[in-house]
Amino acid sequence: EVHLLESGGGLVQPGGSLRLSCAASGFTFSSFAMSWVRQAPGKGLEWVSSISSSGASTYYPDSVQGRFTISRDPSKSTLYLQIRSLRADDTAVYYCAKGGGGAHFDSWGQGTLVTVSS
Amino acid sequence: EIVLTQSPAILSLSPGERATLSCRASQSVSSYLAWYQQKPGQAPRLLIYDASNRATGIPARFSGSGSGTDFTLTISSLEPEDFAVYYCQQRSNWPLTFGQGTRLEIK
Repeated sequence: EVHLLESGGGLVQPGGSLRLSCAASGFTFSSFAMSWVRQAPGKGLEWVSSISSSGASTYYPDSVQGRFTISRDPSKSTLYLQIRSLRADDTAVYYCAKGGGGAHFDSWGQGTLVTVSS
Repeated sequence: EIVLTQSPAILSLSPGERATLSCRASQSVSSYLAWYQQKPGQAPRLLIYDASNRATGIPARFSGSGSGTDFTLTISSLEPEDFAVYYCQQRSNWPLTFGQGTRLEIK
């Protein structure tokens, strides 16, 4: 059974940085693209990054390009999202999802809440 | 960017009724469209992928159809656990995009 467990969320001041982690199990991590999707309080879903199975290719929407960096460590079966220059509108639950680009998101973690506030 | 527009925003039905949810894309996404269900406090769950394929473990009352720009999610006979928010999502082009969601509520 696929299991995705996010961590690293919390309260951060505007302008700060944060690194989210997603520990994956139950599948061959290095064989699948992975992604991050966020959901602001009471709002819809927004895709924020994807990374290919090898890690060689990364993708971002314009809204986060330059501030978000996705990466993966196959030796730890872990996905990461580095977020810099945090803003109030980055406040959201951040979900780790299996898939992206070549496949839809077929498994999701339970999410980690990031709150940006002074 | 491909914009996905879902309708209606809110759908009020009773258990046992048939639900029809729509998703329209601003340009063709071929068949690269998925549907997700999200209940309060939970992560989304994949229901339908590539327009018409049920994901693992999804009941047969859920079906998807369409291609190009117009897609439909049908729930043939609503069960109490089906009342939730439904999102469509395309993987045809970067950036990946979601519709704004349809809230299916009990009438």
